[in-house]
Amino acid sequence: DGGITQSPKYLFRKEGQNVTLSCEQNLNHDAMYWYRQDPGQGLRLIYYSQIVNDFQKGDIAEGYSVSREKKESFPLTVTSAQKNPTAFYLCASSIGGLANTGELFFGEGSRLTVL
Amino acid sequence: GDSVTQMEGPVTLSEEAFLTINCTYTATGYPSLFWYVQYPGEGLQLLLKATKADDKGSNKGFEATYRKETTSFHLEKGSVQVSDSAVYFCALSTSSNTGKLIFGQGTTLQVKP
Repeated sequence: DGGITQSPKYLFRKEGQNVTLSCEQNLNHDAMYWYRQDPGQGLRLIYYSQIVNDFQKGDIAEGYSVSREKKESFPLTVTSAQKNPTAFYLCASSIGGLANTGELFFGEGSRLTVL
Repeated sequence: GDSVTQMEGPVTLSEEAFLTINCTYTATGYPSLFWYVQYPGEGLQLLLKATKADDKGSNKGFEATYRKETTSFHLEKGSVQVSDSAVYFCALSTSSNTGKLIFGQGTTLQVKP
């Protein structure tokens, strides 16, 4: 089945540590996204990538980094510079480009807790 | 800037009750509008969408009509079920070539038997 796989589902981190969240898709989508979800705040865009080897900052990119070396992979690193990293992180993909209908396909999310 | 505002939750209904979740938006140009649903512990799924004024999106008994004159996209269902309990997000897209969506804050629906 085609879809988006995020791992790990749950992650605990000590303060000062960097952690990387994995996102893999086999939908052959060009565009991929990382959103952060906090209670009562909806989803906020961290980074997005429309094509391999290119990505752009979203609304809350500070303290995060990404790479897009392969079409199917878009890992997110939460660095120690992120002041409040405890959240639910969602990865998504879309067809991208002129064929884009605006529909995003989401993974099941990764819950990061800083101890 | 572009934004989406949803009615605050949680919304608690009895089974078979009528549901309305209000959504209004602010956007330049002609956005596409979406409703996504998130079941507990899961990611979001597209519920329905509308791409131009007066379009009605529908799926699984849910409906929403794109009202340009009132900049609204309210979600409705005639008879809710316990299985509809979830968080519902209204969203808009104004840039078709980037695929970026702007989400509302989400509305939690709880349906009691």
